[in-house]
Amino acid sequence: GDSVTQMEGPVTLSEEAFLTINCTYTATGYPSLFWYVQYPGEGLQLLLKATKADDKGSNKGFEATYRKETTSFHLEKGSVQVSDSAVYFCALNSGYSTLTFGKGTMLLVSP
Amino acid sequence: GAVVSQHPSWVICKSGTSVKIECRSLDFQATTMFWYRQFPKQSLMLMATSNEGSKATYEQGVEKDKFLINHASLTLSTLTVTSAHPEDSSFYICSGSSGGAGSDTQYFGPGTRLTVL
Repeated sequence: GDSVTQMEGPVTLSEEAFLTINCTYTATGYPSLFWYVQYPGEGLQLLLKATKADDKGSNKGFEATYRKETTSFHLEKGSVQVSDSAVYFCALNSGYSTLTFGKGTMLLVSP
Repeated sequence: GAVVSQHPSWVICKSGTSVKIECRSLDFQATTMFWYRQFPKQSLMLMATSNEGSKATYEQGVEKDKFLINHASLTLSTLTVTSAHPEDSSFYICSGSSGGAGSDTQYFGPGTRLTVL
């Protein structure tokens, strides 16, 4: 079955540091890939998505590239801010409408 | 665009009572709505999937008589937790999908925190 594996957190960074959160997946067919962000006490917000190999999703300075050869969708940001502190979820959709989530990675950014 | 609201945002109830949570898609028609449950510091657990006008499809292990889901219109789905008990306390999140172009994307509500005393 489908699965998503994320690096365990928390990831602790200083402001303006470079961020990478690793995500790899196992899926049938050609899934769409997503990153969602959850701020404390809130629901999930779509951060970015990619629907086919080599697509790059980007939003708010975050980027992730759909790598079919390595079955990865790593999230990156060149310079994090304190306001980026949240839990980040990698997810995939194999075309059956349901999302398969990773366990989430907490990011803590200090001033 | 693609905004989903939930009401209430939090609720406290006594054991044995029922609680209804509403999920609304504000600016799109949600052909499919999903209900999730999230425990502290954990990922989301899909409870059920509902299509407008149809009975919900529940995930294995989710009691359909306890968690009643109604998706009566393209903009509204409700989750009723019947005879709630303390172990039902959790964060419940809904999401909607349009079913059209880009239908692989789900848009999430802000969540409802249920506390059962």
